[in-house]
Amino acid sequence: RKEVEQDPGPFNVPEGATVAFNCTYSNSASQSFFWYRQDCRKEPKLLMSVYSSGNEDGRFTAQLNRASQYISLLIRDSKLSDSATYLCVASDSNYQLIWGAGTKLIIKP
Amino acid sequence: GAVVSQHPSWVICKSGTSVKIECRSLDFQATTMFWYRQFPKQSLMLMATSNEGSKATYEQGVEKDKFLINHASLTLSTLTVTSAHPEDSSFYICSARGRGGRGINQPQHFGDGTRLSIL
Repeated sequence: RKEVEQDPGPFNVPEGATVAFNCTYSNSASQSFFWYRQDCRKEPKLLMSVYSSGNEDGRFTAQLNRASQYISLLIRDSKLSDSATYLCVASDSNYQLIWGAGTKLIIKP
Repeated sequence: GAVVSQHPSWVICKSGTSVKIECRSLDFQATTMFWYRQFPKQSLMLMATSNEGSKATYEQGVEKDKFLINHASLTLSTLTVTSAHPEDSSFYICSARGRGGRGINQPQHFGDGTRLSIL
């Protein structure tokens, strides 16, 4: 079983719709969580950290459920420019990042 | 924001060549640098972690004699792929994390990546 699992997609979503991804992690000792965005053939870019209380940044909302060991990312009013691969990341107590394989999102006009 | 510069961005070379990739933190001191490799449609895989002034810690399955890492200063780390072969063709990405504050929530700052193609 992978330590961080994501649905690879692709998610094909019309522009303006709301889309949500989930990501599960197996290590209950994981301490920090992040969502990164990666465009094709580019390096990952930090989208947002995920806090226990949940956090929101504009159209993006991240949630953490420690009991069920999953994190989620919600994108509202999706834009064409949101098309990318979204990577879920968990950090252990040694700050080592464990990456999911990513969920591909395609926003269609 | 923090900037990490990685060079070169794309390398094509013959089998048996050694390739050096540089990773520089431009506006902060990177106490820890990470080297990742990503094959098409797969997740980033950590190869090694290096702290300034000390030997790199390699992940299981990564040959330290083949992937030489040097983190000689707080702003520069290099990865040398020695005697590269076609199976080493991949996307190599470095990232850096600075010092200070609570490290637990400090994200890593990534370089642009190096696409390595071995013929």
